[in-house]
Amino acid sequence: AQSVTQLGSHVSVSEGALVLLRCNYSSSVPPYLFWYVQYPNQGLQLLLKYTTGATLVKGINGFEAEFKKSETSFHLTKPSAHMSDAAEYFCAVSVNQAGTALIFGKGTTLSVSS
Amino acid sequence: DGGITQSPKYLFRKEGQNVTLSCEQNLNHDAMYWYRQDPGQGLRLIYYSQIVNDFQKGDIAEGYSVSREKKESFPLTVTSAQKNPTAFYLCASSIVAGGELTEAFFGQGTRLTVV
Repeated sequence: AQSVTQLGSHVSVSEGALVLLRCNYSSSVPPYLFWYVQYPNQGLQLLLKYTTGATLVKGINGFEAEFKKSETSFHLTKPSAHMSDAAEYFCAVSVNQAGTALIFGKGTTLSVSS
Repeated sequence: DGGITQSPKYLFRKEGQNVTLSCEQNLNHDAMYWYRQDPGQGLRLIYYSQIVNDFQKGDIAEGYSVSREKKESFPLTVTSAQKNPTAFYLCASSIVAGGELTEAFFGQGTRLTVV
């Protein structure tokens, strides 16, 4: 069965600093990987996704992630944090099979200080 | 505008009562999902449906029920058998072709509080 582990439930950075949110997955077959962002009391918005092809994926708001099969990782990065990036971030995996659904990690709360 | 509509946004329920959360989508997606979100727990899958008149249990289906009579609607009933129903509930939909789920779209959520 597939699963997702997000390392660090809370990450704090200064405005302008590098953002790195870690995600590792477990899957017996090639997965599809996703990062979502959630602002308080709202739904989830897709930041980026990896399905096939290029392993470095660029998303919205300057975020990007790299799929590393050898490390079973899909870490999310942004070169320079902005105050508006403060939110909760979820990594998710789906596997190409019948009856599939997204499986989520427990989330990482990003705080950005001025 | 296309999207997923969840209603109501806030819901209060007395202990022992059943309550139904609404989820409607106009994206023409085949698949729909219900997730429960608790602080520090991420999103946990309650039920999902790939086609009309068919649905499957997720990881935490006990105390919940669903129906899928129409493609655009997937209501969730929280029954009195659910021992700890206070949570944030999220509905999602996606296109699933050949078993491939390439993206899921989410509603704005319903916050259920038992009083």
